[in-house]
Amino acid sequence: GAGVSQSPRYKVAKRGQDVALRCDPISGHVSLFWYQQALGQGPEFLTYFQNEAQLDKSGLPSDRFFAERPEGSVSTLKIQRTQQEDSAVYLCASSPGRWGTDTQYFGPGTRLTVL
Amino acid sequence: GESVGLHLPTLSVQEGDNSIINCAYSNSASDYFIWYKQESGKGPQFIIDIRSNMDKRQGQRVTVLLNKTVKHLSLQIAATQPGDSAVYFCAERTGGYQKVTFGTGTKLQVIP
Repeated sequence: GAGVSQSPRYKVAKRGQDVALRCDPISGHVSLFWYQQALGQGPEFLTYFQNEAQLDKSGLPSDRFFAERPEGSVSTLKIQRTQQEDSAVYLCASSPGRWGTDTQYFGPGTRLTVL
Repeated sequence: GESVGLHLPTLSVQEGDNSIINCAYSNSASDYFIWYKQESGKGPQFIIDIRSNMDKRQGQRVTVLLNKTVKHLSLQIAATQPGDSAVYFCAERTGGYQKVTFGTGTKLQVIP
């Protein structure tokens, strides 16, 4: 079956541009997560949605980062006025329920390069 | 803040040998641990998990050991194969909450 998909797979932006990254979770999955992975590092939590509700956005690095999931399925991570330090792979994951022990299924990520 | 980390950044093993990847954690409140495998250009893939009330859990060719006394976690891969070459991350969750904290990863290289 279809897994988590993300688009675009690669994005190059000039410093100061706005970008939007899309995540299509597994159909029916309640929970959705965004992570940021710097080169050679483990993923770092950004934000968590349960259906359309954003329950935790404590990992968003600044107010330039904004995420939404208006209908409880597809999610978009938006970064305004991109900076070079935003260059990373942005991973999306979904899980079927609300419980902390549900397996998270990850997408392939979007590699963002800010010049 | 408290975090999950790994002892060895790179591990090279001969094909057919067993591999052991180690992880130290510092958050004593963590009650659930996960091992992920990440291949180049892909997202992390769930391998195996263990709750803090367990010491050992086995899967297909993999075993996770948890030592709460010294806050240590290990992943054992039996009969390592070339397809096991990847970066392995341990991760933790605290208190049933969905947020996952990852360690920095260990790169496993399998020598044919």
